[in-house]
Amino acid sequence: DAGVIQSPRHEVTEMGQEVTLRCKPISGHNSLFWYRQTMMRGLELLIYFNNNVPIDDSGMPEDRFSAKMPNASFSTLKIQPSEPRDSAVYFCASSFGTGHEIEQYFGPGTRLTVT
Amino acid sequence: ILNVEQSPQSLHVQEGDSTNFTCSFPSSNFYALHWYRWETAKSPEALFVMTLNGDEKKKGRISATLNTKEGYSYLYIKGSQPEDSATYLCAFGGYNFNKFYFGSGTKLNVKP
Repeated sequence: DAGVIQSPRHEVTEMGQEVTLRCKPISGHNSLFWYRQTMMRGLELLIYFNNNVPIDDSGMPEDRFSAKMPNASFSTLKIQPSEPRDSAVYFCASSFGTGHEIEQYFGPGTRLTVT
Repeated sequence: ILNVEQSPQSLHVQEGDSTNFTCSFPSSNFYALHWYRWETAKSPEALFVMTLNGDEKKKGRISATLNTKEGYSYLYIKGSQPEDSATYLCAFGGYNFNKFYFGSGTKLNVKP
């Protein structure tokens, strides 16, 4: 199995531009998580889906952020318009189930830089 | 917001030293605790999932213990090697919460 796939691996964009991050979960996994890692706040959960349905989006910082999961094998995280403070590493993770005892598998992350 | 604390923040040891660090979490509504190993420029990799008070898990030279009544878990590394250098993260899951709460990690540097 290829593991969780994220693209792009690096993104540099100018303030005000739209940014779309992509994630392909491990085949057969039915839960998908978007995390953001910053020096200030560490690793924080933005949103997660179960069976393609958003379950908890309380971590999404503001309306500029949106996430979709149109099918079981693809999810996007969009920032529009982007701001310099959005610069971070964004991780996608997937699991089979959402129970707290379930192991999550992380992708390689997308490093976003907004200038 | 829930507090999951890890200590120390960073640790420098010599190759061959044994070391341990702590994850503290709320003792009420405990469901599960995860330990992850996170190497620089890579993604977090699951080490252990622990659910029962008194649980002890082991993987090679790395082991972990869990005390849910007092709200802490220890991670031990016996005979540290340079390849153990990484950030070790814990994540707490509670009954009344939808999601995990991650600690800020302990960054371990093992010098050859």
